[in-house]
Amino acid sequence: QVQLQESGPGLVKPSETLSLTCTVSGDSISDYYWSWIRQPPGKGLEWIGFIYYSGITNYNPSLKSRVTISVDTSKNQFSLRLSSVTAADTAVYYCARDESGSEADWGQGILVTVSS
Amino acid sequence: DIQMTQSPSSLSASVGDRVTITCRASQGISNYLAWFQQKPGKAPKSLIHAASSLQSGVPSKFSGSGSGTDFTLNISSLQPEDFATYYCQQYNSYPITFGQGTRLEIK
Repeated sequence: QVQLQESGPGLVKPSETLSLTCTVSGDSISDYYWSWIRQPPGKGLEWIGFIYYSGITNYNPSLKSRVTISVDTSKNQFSLRLSSVTAADTAVYYCARDESGSEADWGQGILVTVSS
Repeated sequence: DIQMTQSPSSLSASVGDRVTITCRASQGISNYLAWFQQKPGKAPKSLIHAASSLQSGVPSKFSGSGSGTDFTLNISSLQPEDFATYYCQQYNSYPITFGQGTRLEIK
């Protein structure tokens, strides 16, 4: 059973870069696509993007200019960087494993607050 | 972007009831449609992919149908643990998009 765990700072200052890591256990990161999704407090889900172990990525155009998703196969981890954050980026950030195109397994999520 | 519209936005039902949630795509998405359940403070849980295929371990009280632009999620014999928010998601084309959610509440 695959398990995913998000980690990173829970508080980021405006204009700085949000950095999160997802650690995958119970399965090889080389076998699937891996996604980031976020959810502002009290609101719906927003897909951020995905990465394949080879480095192929696809980002939501609404965030594309600020997002970078990377993978470290040696650590079985993938990461999210979101630059120039504002209060609108305050959300619970989830990492997930894609299966057949949709997110089959999710991490527990991490709340990131953007505030000075 | 493909817009996903769920109805109703909220729904009250009783234990034992059967409910139906609908999801409409702004353009055809074949059967690239997933359903998720989310309880307060928890991550979404995948219920159905490919419009009608149950994820492993999901009880058969959940069923999905549809193709093209119109889809439904049916939940039979509601139990207390089924009261949650449900989201549909299209993964036919990028960016992947979600419906706004349907909040299922106990009457």
